[in-house]
Parts: sequence; C-alpha cells; structure tokens
Amino acid sequence: AQKVTQAQTEISVVEKEDVTLDCVYETRDTTYYLFWYKQPPSGELVFLIRRNSFDEQNEISGRYSWNFQKSTSSFNFTITASQVVDSAVYFCALSGNTNAGKSTFGDGTTLTVKP
Amino acid sequence: DAGVIQSPRHEVTEMGQEVTLRCKPISGHNSLFWYRQTMMRGLELLIYFNNNVPIDDSGMPEDRFSAKMPNASFSTLKIQPSEPRDSAVYFCASSLTSGGPSYEQYFGPGTRLTVT
Repeated sequence: AQKVTQAQTEISVVEKEDVTLDCVYETRDTTYYLFWYKQPPSGELVFLIRRNSFDEQNEISGRYSWNFQKSTSSFNFTITASQVVDSAVYFCALSGNTNAGKSTFGDGTTLTVKP
Repeated sequence: DAGVIQSPRHEVTEMGQEVTLRCKPISGHNSLFWYRQTMMRGLELLIYFNNNVPIDDSGMPEDRFSAKMPNASFSTLKIQPSEPRDSAVYFCASSLTSGGPSYEQYFGPGTRLTVT
C-alpha cells in the first residue's frame, strides 16, 4: 500500500517569511514519482513539480525549492520570501509502478500568507 | 495546447434528477481520472480509465454513479438519481501512463454541482 502524509493541516505566515511544507511518503515500489500540486482559492488544481525516485537532486524554481530525501522518505517544499499569492492548498502525491497508474494524494496543507 | 476541458462549470439541480458531467482530456494522454472534492472528505478518486478502459472504480460511491469513456477524447460521469449529499466539485484529470508509474495529472477546472 502507498501512503502520503502531510502532517501540517494549516500554516499561517506573514508575507516575506520562508515556509516549508512537509511531505512524508510510504511505498514498497523501487520506481516511483513524487509530485506537488497547488490549489489556489480559485479552485483549480495545478501541477508544480515531478521528481523521479532515482533522482535525489534538489530543485529550485524561482522562490520555490524542493528537497527530496529517500533516507527519510520525505519530499519537502519550501517557499522563500512568501507572497500573498502563494496562499493555497498544496498537495503532495505519489505514483508508483504497482499503483496501477493512479496517484496517492496527501490530505493537503492550507497555506495562508498574510500581508 | 488546450488543457482538460470540463462542462458544465456549474450545475444546480433538484434531488432525483439525472446529472451528466463531461470531460475532454488532453490529446495524447491515455489515462483519465474522475475526482470529487468536498470540505468534509477532501479529494476522492472516483474512477480511473486507462486507454478508455475502466481500471479501478472502487471509489464510485454507489450504483447511482456511472462513468463511461467511449473514446480517447471524451468521458462522462453520470449521477442518477442525484441527492443533496452529491453536492461537491467534480474534477476530471488526465495523464500519460507508459507501463510504469503515471506521470503528473493535469486537472480540468472542475464542475461545481449543487443538488437541492
């Protein structure tokens, strides 16, 4: 069975603060992908990033960065110098080669960035 | 390239009526997913198609729900008869699966269903 845990249900920060969203996963698959999605207040779900289980290199995209550590089964997401527009629900997800093509989603973390 | 298209965007209906939600996946994607999202239950996978064939419908709540994918570019989710507890946002998503783990999913804008 696969499982994705986002222990932080809600996070509130003040604009310009850095914030890290935690994601811990469980899988027996040796090949898998990890994802982050963003759901802003407007409601659409937007894909942000995919990481391959064989590639533990961290990734940075502007103010966003992702830290993938297989040793701790974690795929954390950091927003640097947060902005009000970052306010959203963020979902972490996992797709493994025994999951029949589906993705397992975490319950999401609601991030509120206050001006 | 157009993203996932869903219609209608909003649907208000009375209890007992039939509701049909429609989805056009991204061209070239071979996997299609129907989700339901509510405040109480979060994001739930209802059914998943691969190459137009239903692979996993374990999330379909009950017999009132049915889904079809007659071809690679169209899918429907039907609720008959509808009940107030079916009120939710229904998302369709598509992705590419090539024998291993599936790649990222691209979601449609969702259909907000209200059953009174």
